Amino acid sequence: DQQVKQNSPSLSVQEGRISILNCDYTNSMFDYFLWYKKYPAEGPTFLISISSIKDKNEDGRFTVFLNKSAKHLSLHIVPSQPGDSAVYFCAATGTASKLTFGTGTRLQVTL
Amino acid sequence: EAGVAQSPRYKIIEKRQSVAFWCNPISGHATLYWYQQILGQGPKLLIQFQNNGVVDDSQLPKDRFSAERLKGVDSTLKIQPAKLEDSAVYLCASSSFRTSGGYNEQFFGPGTRLTVL
Repeated sequence: DQQVKQNSPSLSVQEGRISILNCDYTNSMFDYFLWYKKYPAEGPTFLISISSIKDKNEDGRFTVFLNKSAKHLSLHIVPSQPGDSAVYFCAATGTASKLTFGTGTRLQVTL
Repeated sequence: EAGVAQSPRYKIIEKRQSVAFWCNPISGHATLYWYQQILGQGPKLLIQFQNNGVVDDSQLPKDRFSAERLKGVDSTLKIQPAKLEDSAVYLCASSSFRTSGGYNEQFFGPGTRLTVL
C-alpha cells in the first residue's frame, strides 16, 4: 500500500529552467510534508517542508505547494542548477512523526 | 556539530549469515530511527527508539531482525540469518525530542549498503 507516490522516476531539466517534482498521497491523516534530497552514497538531507494548514512555503530557489483537496504536493526549483542533480524524496507524517517516503524522483540538470 | 555516524559503509555476506550495523546519533538526540531502503524505493522505517525504549517496530521483521539502543545513545541493528531480499541500504537517523506539535527534523547518516549473495 503506497501511501506516498512519486510517479515520475526521473526528470531532466536544462540549467536555469524550472524543475517541478510531483508527489501524491492517499492518507488524509498526514498533516506535514517534507522534501528530502539525496546524493549518491550519502543519506537524505532535509530540503523544505510544509504544514497542512498552508498551501505554499518558499525558501530561496525552492517552493513547495500543497493542494489538500487533491492530496497533491509539488516542489518547484527556480532556477535549476547543476548542483541540484540528485534524487528527491517526498515524505509525509502525521502526529507520530513517523515518516512515510515516496519512491523518489531522480533530477538531472543539464548544462 | 558532528552528524550521524554509521559503520560499516559496505558489507557483503552470504545468505544465512549474520550481520550487524552500528549507528551513533547526533549528540543529545533522543530519538533514533533505522530505515531500510531497497533499490528503487524510498526509505522504509524499521524501528524507532525514544531514548532506549522502542516507540514503533511494527515494520521490523522480528523473526530475523533485532535492534537495541543501550544507554539511549548508540544503536545496533542485526540481521540473523540474512536473506537475499535483505539487500538494501540501511539508514540511521536521529532527531531531538519532540516537545509539542510540529515536526522535529530527522538527520540521516550515510547508510550501510548490504549485499546478500
